[in-house]
Amino acid sequence: GIQVEQSPPDLILQEGANSTLRCNFSDSVNNLQWFHQNPWGQLINLFYIPSGTKQNGRLSATTVATERYSLLYISSSQTTDSGVYFCAVERVPDSWGKLQFGAGTQVVVTP
Amino acid sequence: EAGVAQSPRYKIIEKRQSVAFWCNPISGHATLYWYQQILGQGPKLLIQFQNNGVVDDSQLPKDRFSAERLKGVDSTLKIQPAKLEDSAVYLCASSGGLREQFFGPGTRLTVL
Repeated sequence: GIQVEQSPPDLILQEGANSTLRCNFSDSVNNLQWFHQNPWGQLINLFYIPSGTKQNGRLSATTVATERYSLLYISSSQTTDSGVYFCAVERVPDSWGKLQFGAGTQVVVTP
Repeated sequence: EAGVAQSPRYKIIEKRQSVAFWCNPISGHATLYWYQQILGQGPKLLIQFQNNGVVDDSQLPKDRFSAERLKGVDSTLKIQPAKLEDSAVYLCASSGGLREQFFGPGTRLTVL
C-alpha cells in the first residue's frame, strides 16, 4: 500500500511562532486532506488539497503532487492550535474514498 | 448543516462482551466510512459503504466485527465478542459528491 510519512513527529511552539509540517507520500494520489485532531479527539477538516495551494486564515497548505509531498503552514500560532495534525491520502488506483493516514504531528503551543 | 453524529461517546465493557456503535452521516452523503484509531496512531479504515452496499471491508476483522447500513443512511458497527486489543476510538465519516471526508466525534471504547 501507499506510505505516508509526516514530519516532524513532535513540535513545541511558543505562541505567535510560525511552523511548517510536511507530508510525503509514496505513490500518485487523487485526494489529500489535512486534519486537526483536537484534545477531545475530534477530527476537524483543514484542507482538501490534492494539488495546488489554499489558505484559510492563519493556515495554508501546498501540495506538489508531481513531487509527492504536501506542506501545512501555521502562522502566528495560538494555544488552540495544539493537537495532532494528520495528513491523509487516497491512492489513485484504490477504490474511491480509501484514505490512508500518516502517523501525525503532535503540536504543542505554549503561552 | 449538521455534522456526522455518533453514539455513544464512551463505552466500557468486559472482554468477550458485545458492543454496538451508531452513526448518522451528513444529510445527503451517500458514502459512509468506519475507522478504528488506536492511541498514538492515525485512523485505519475498517469498512466503506456506498448507499447501503459495501465497497471495501478488506480490513474489517470479520470473525468479530460486523457493520450494516440498511436504508442507506444510518449505520451500526458491532463487535462480538470484544478483545482487549479492540480498545480504541471508533470514528465514522461521510462524504458526498466530492472526495472530502467529514468525521464524527467518535466513540471511545475501553475493553477491560
